[in-house]
Amino acid sequence: QSALTQPASVSGSPGQSITISCTGTSSDVGAYDYVSWYQQHPGKVPKLIIYEVSNRPSGVSHRFSGSKSGNTASLTISGLQADDEADYYCSSYRSRTSGVFGGGTKVTVL
Amino acid sequence: EVQLVESGGGLVQPGGSLRLSCAASEFSFRSYWMSWVRQAPGKGLEWVANINQDGSEKYYVDSVKGRFTISRDNTKKSLYLQMNSLRAEDTAVYYCAREVLSGWFDPWGQGTLVTVSS
Repeated sequence: QSALTQPASVSGSPGQSITISCTGTSSDVGAYDYVSWYQQHPGKVPKLIIYEVSNRPSGVSHRFSGSKSGNTASLTISGLQADDEADYYCSSYRSRTSGVFGGGTKVTVL
Repeated sequence: EVQLVESGGGLVQPGGSLRLSCAASEFSFRSYWMSWVRQAPGKGLEWVANINQDGSEKYYVDSVKGRFTISRDNTKKSLYLQMNSLRAEDTAVYYCAREVLSGWFDPWGQGTLVTVSS
């Protein structure tokens, strides 16, 4: 039940775009278009921001977008804002018998 | 508003037991898979267990198999996690979350802290 691989940290200046990668295997990320992303501010509850690779729940900013190529999924945050500073986690459907998250990426707004 | 509220966390000695509860409201609880996800202090998210709509299927991460039991009561719209033989490494905030068919989790409860220490 290995975790998905994410960079530990990514940073950018206000207004810039950043991309966070999430690498899995042909059994999870590569097998299904079922990657999701979560934003977690310090001390807060994780919040779903992307589901099924590229869909945004109602109320989530259009500045968040998702994509996938092979075994790697990506989250892009455009027009970086101070409030985007948080931890971001990816997750992929693997099977009903197990769930898996990435190790998390800390986004810093310079 | 769809809501999940956990309870039951606390301080317990190694080897002890604890039962977490999660109360659901404003959605058809019996129609969804449900999961427990935990987060150790300063660490990332870890899926712990899930259960299908009628409780006939239950799955666990390897590290808790044989020690934790997930269950649900659809009449009470509640999810449970019975945790036995607790270890220091089980110390974490435990979240319950609604699990959608394609494997995403939404919403999440506010979490309940479990601390295993002597």
